[in-house]
Formats: sequence, C-alpha cells, structure tokens
Amino acid sequence: DAGVIQSPRHEVTEMGQEVTLRCKPISGHNSLFWYRQTMMRGLELLIYFNNNVPIDDSGMPEDRFSAKMPNASFSTLKIQPSEPRDSAVYFCASNPGQRVYGYTFGSGTRLTVV
Amino acid sequence: KQEVTQIPAALSVPEGENLVLNCSFTDSAIYNLQWFRQDPGKGLTSLLLIQSSQREQTSGRLNASLDKSSGRSTLYIAASQPGDSATYLCAVRIKGAQKLVFGQGTRLTINP
Repeated sequence: DAGVIQSPRHEVTEMGQEVTLRCKPISGHNSLFWYRQTMMRGLELLIYFNNNVPIDDSGMPEDRFSAKMPNASFSTLKIQPSEPRDSAVYFCASNPGQRVYGYTFGSGTRLTVV
Repeated sequence: KQEVTQIPAALSVPEGENLVLNCSFTDSAIYNLQWFRQDPGKGLTSLLLIQSSQREQTSGRLNASLDKSSGRSTLYIAASQPGDSATYLCAVRIKGAQKLVFGQGTRLTINP
C-alpha cells in the first residue's frame, strides 16, 4: 500500500496564478479530506468527500478555492487566483468510511505564494 | 463546537525519562480519538487510535488513554529517546460528521 499520495510536494507561485494540488487516496477508502495547516490556525478541515461526493465544504475559505473528486482514486484542490495568505501546507487524508477506522494522511504540499 | 486543547505547547526533557502529553476536548460526543506524530516539514503519522468505548491503546513504548466523560486523553511515552522528538497532535472524530478536529499540538524535544 503506497499510502495517500500528494503532488507536488512543493509549489511556489506568483500571486494571481492558478494553483492545483493533487491527491490519490488509498485504494478502497471511501472518504477523502483536504486539510490546511498554518502556524496561526493549526490544522483546519477545508472539505471532505464521501464516495466522490462533496459532503461538507464549510471550511473552504473563499470562492477562490474549489475541490473536485472525479473518481475514487483522484481529487484536486484548486486555488484561483492565489494570494500570499494562501501560503500553507495542504494535506490530503483518506479513511475507509466506517467510524471505527482512523485517518491516513499524505505527506502534504507546501504552497508558497509570492 | 468541539474544541481540542493540548498542554503543554512545548516540552523538553532529557533522554530516558517517561513523559505524559495531555489532550482535552469539550464535547464528549466522539467516535474515537487519534494521536499523530509530525516531524518538521513532514506529514502526519498515526500512532494510536482509541475508540470511544475503549480506555486505552498501547503500541511499543506508547500508551494512550481515553476518559470520554471527562473529555481527556493522555499519551504516555516510556523511556524517551532523541528520535521521539517531534510534534504530537491529538484529534477527535466528532459524532454526526466525519470531521477530525485537531489540537494545536505539543512540540516535544528529547535531549541526549
């Protein structure tokens, strides 16, 4: 099992550019989560999917953020246009769906917007 | 709204000591609690998962306890080693949702 795979590991972009972060969950996991980690706010849930359907996007900070899960093995988080305050580490996590299971996190994408 | 607090925010101890990290949460309506480790610049590694019906879980030198009624969990690390230096995060899975709510973490340093 390769775990949750995120790409890229690091992204540096200029303000105003579009940024796309990618995630491949563990095969067989029905739930996928996007988290953002900053020094000030810690780990915050942005959005999560069950069976490829977005369930709760209340953590998405602005309309500039969007997320998709076109199939069970792939999800994207897009920021358009990006701003310096979006600089953070973005984590993807997956879970089999049943409540007795824990969450597995990817290695994260460190985003820097200059 | 569920809030998770970890105390202390940072801890530095000499190698070989036994230590306890604390986690408290405000709403006892949880499915489970998970302890993670995060090394600088890295992702989160799951250490222990305790279901709401359980009192404790053990893995090697780590032991986590859960007292749901009082909203507390502890992570006990025996015979600490420099390799244990990392940030330790606790997170609760709240009932009625699949959210994991995280504490701010305890940054642990083990001095050789």
